Amino acid sequence: AQSVSQHNHHVILSEAASLELGCNYSYGGTVNLFWYVQYPGQHLQLLLKYFSGDPLVKGIKGFEAEFIKSKFSFNLRKPSVQWSDTAEYFCAVNLAGNTGKLIFGQGTTLQVKP
Amino acid sequence: DTAVSQTPKYLVTQMGNDKSIKCEQNLGHDTMYWYKQDSKKFLKIMFSYNNKELIINETVPNRFSPKSPDKAHLNLHINSLELGDSAVYFCASSTRTGFETQYFGPGTRLLVL
Repeated sequence: AQSVSQHNHHVILSEAASLELGCNYSYGGTVNLFWYVQYPGQHLQLLLKYFSGDPLVKGIKGFEAEFIKSKFSFNLRKPSVQWSDTAEYFCAVNLAGNTGKLIFGQGTTLQVKP
Repeated sequence: DTAVSQTPKYLVTQMGNDKSIKCEQNLGHDTMYWYKQDSKKFLKIMFSYNNKELIINETVPNRFSPKSPDKAHLNLHINSLELGDSAVYFCASSTRTGFETQYFGPGTRLLVL
C-alpha cells in the first residue's frame, strides 16, 4: 500500500536556525507532492506543491522543498526559522490516476523557541 | 471571504446520538472531500464527491453517511456516535478529482462523551 513517511515527529529549534523536514513516499509512479501547514488552532494551509518541472519549488513564508525522484523524497527546508513558524507540518502525496485521495504523512510538530 | 466553511466548529455530544456536520465551498470547485484527523493528528480521507457523485469511500463505518445536495455542499451525517468518533473532521475541495490542490476548511472538533 502507498504510504508517506515523515522522519521527524517533533522538532525543536531556536529562532534563526535552519530547518529541514524529511518526507518519503512509497509509490513508483507519477505523483503530485504537497506540504501543508497547520498553525495552532487553525486549518490546513498549503505551503507549497510540486506537480512537474523544476524539482526545487518555493512556497510561502520562505519555505522551499526539493523533489528527488530517485530517493522518493520531498524534503521541506527553510534557511532561518521564526517563532511564528511553530506549527504542524504535513507532507502529502496524490497519485496519478487516483481519484484525488491525498495520502498524508503522520505530521511533524515544529516548535521554535524565541 | 471564506473559501471552505464548516459548521459547527465544535460539537460535543453523547454516545449514541446522531449528528451532522455541514460543509460549503464558494470556490466553484467540482470535488469535495471529508478527512478525519485523529488524536495523534494523523489525517485520513473518508469520502470524496465529484459533482454530487460519490468517488471515494474509504472503508468508513456505514454509520457515516455523506450527502451532497449540490456541488458546493458536502455534509457528513453520523449515526449512533461512538467514543472513537471523537476527532477533528476537515472538509476540503478541489477543482476536479485527481491532480489538483485541495483547499481545506477550518475543521469541526467532535467530542463524544
